[in-house]
Amino acid sequence: IAGITQAPTSQILAAGRRMTLRCTQDMRHNAMYWYRQDLGLGLRLIHYSNTAGTTGKGEVPDGYSVSRANTDDFPLTLASAVPSQTSVYFCASSDQYHTDTQYFGPGTRLTVL
Amino acid sequence: GENVEQHPSTLSVQEGDSAVIKCTYSDSASNYFPWYKQELGKGPQLIIDIRSNVGEKKDQRIAVTLNKTAKHFSLHITETQPEDSAVYFCAASSSSGGYQKVTFGTGTKLQVIP
Repeated sequence: IAGITQAPTSQILAAGRRMTLRCTQDMRHNAMYWYRQDLGLGLRLIHYSNTAGTTGKGEVPDGYSVSRANTDDFPLTLASAVPSQTSVYFCASSDQYHTDTQYFGPGTRLTVL
Repeated sequence: GENVEQHPSTLSVQEGDSAVIKCTYSDSASNYFPWYKQELGKGPQLIIDIRSNVGEKKDQRIAVTLNKTAKHFSLHITETQPEDSAVYFCAASSSSGGYQKVTFGTGTKLQVIP
C-alpha cells in the first residue's frame, strides 16, 4: 500500500505558465485536501473535497483550482503561476466517516520564477 | 476563526532529556488535536492525537495532555533520541462549514544533541 503519492517531486516553473500537481491515494478515503507550506506560516489549506464530485475552498484558494472526478485522484492546478506561489505543496486525505486523522503525501516543491 | 499558537519555535535538548512543546487554541469548537512530525524533505506524519473528551494520552515515549478549560495542549517526549530531531506541528480540528477544518501551529524545530 503506497498511501498518498504526489508528482512531480519538484518543479521550476516560469511565471505565467500553467501547472498541475498530481495527487493519488489508495486508501479509499472520502476526503482529500491540498495545503501549502511556507516558512513561518505552517500549513495552510488551499482546497478540499469531502467526496468525489465535490470541492470547496480553504483558507488560501486564490490562483488555484481543483477537481475530484473519482475517489483516488485530486489534482491541483495553477492556471497562471506567480512567484508568490513558490512553496511546498502537500496533499492529504482522511476517512471522515471513521476518524479525523489526515494522512499526508511526500510533497511537491514548486518554484515560480 | 481558529488560531493555534505553538512554542517554542526551536528547541535543543541533550539526548536522554525530555522535550516539551506547547500549543494554545482559540476556538472552543475544536475537538480533535493531532501532533505531526515532519522530517526534512518529507510530509508530516501523525505521531499522536487526542480528543476533547480525554485529558491525557501516552504512546511509549510520547505523551500529549489537553486542558480544555485553558485551551492548551502539550506534547511531551521523554528519553529523547537523535532520531527524534525533526519539526513538530500541533493542530486543532473541528467540523466546520461542511469540512474538517484543521488549523496548524507554525512548528517547533527539535534538535536532539547526541
